[in-house]
Amino acid sequence: AQKVTQAQTEISVVEKEDVTLDCVYETRDTTYYLFWYKQPPSGELVFLIRRNSFDEQNEISGRYSWNFQKSTSSFNFTITASQVVDSAVYFCALSVAINFGNEKLTFGTGTRLTIIP
Amino acid sequence: DGGITQSPKYLFRKEGQNVTLSCEQNLNHDAMYWYRQDPGQGLRLIYYSQIVNDFQKGDIAEGYSVSREKKESFPLTVTSAQKNPTAFYLCASRTGRLANTEAFFGQGTRLTVV
Repeated sequence: AQKVTQAQTEISVVEKEDVTLDCVYETRDTTYYLFWYKQPPSGELVFLIRRNSFDEQNEISGRYSWNFQKSTSSFNFTITASQVVDSAVYFCALSVAINFGNEKLTFGTGTRLTIIP
Repeated sequence: DGGITQSPKYLFRKEGQNVTLSCEQNLNHDAMYWYRQDPGQGLRLIYYSQIVNDFQKGDIAEGYSVSREKKESFPLTVTSAQKNPTAFYLCASRTGRLANTEAFFGQGTRLTVV
């Protein structure tokens, strides 16, 4: 079975501080995909990034960066110089192909991030 | 614009009533999903469909039913058998049958039992 753990339920930081959101996953599959989504107050989940299990390169996109470490089964997300607009709930998700045609996307419980002006 | 449309945004249900949540997509995606979101529990999968006229139970299917008669539409019915239906419901779609594709989400329907 697949599992995603986001141990941080809520985080609050002052604007311009850096913040890291943790994600730990479990799967027996050797091929899998990890995702991060942002859920602003409007409710719609917005896709941020996808990473496959064969690519452990870290990625940076503007103020966002992701650190993927297979050795610790973690896929952490860092926001540098946080802004009030970053306030949202962030979800980490895992996708594996159970069998062809039955891929499932498993979500963590989310981390609510509040940026204090 | 392409996307997923959920309606209504807010829905109130009396005890013992069935209600249907609408989900329509114009992304030409094969796969569609229904998730339930409760505070502190993240997103839990109710039902999913990889192709028209076929669907599979997710982790919490009891008290729910779906249909997939058209590629674009995947309505969810919350039946009276669902004992605690108050929640935020999200519909999503993905292209193809590939585990590496991201899901696109609608804006959700907030269902409240009164």
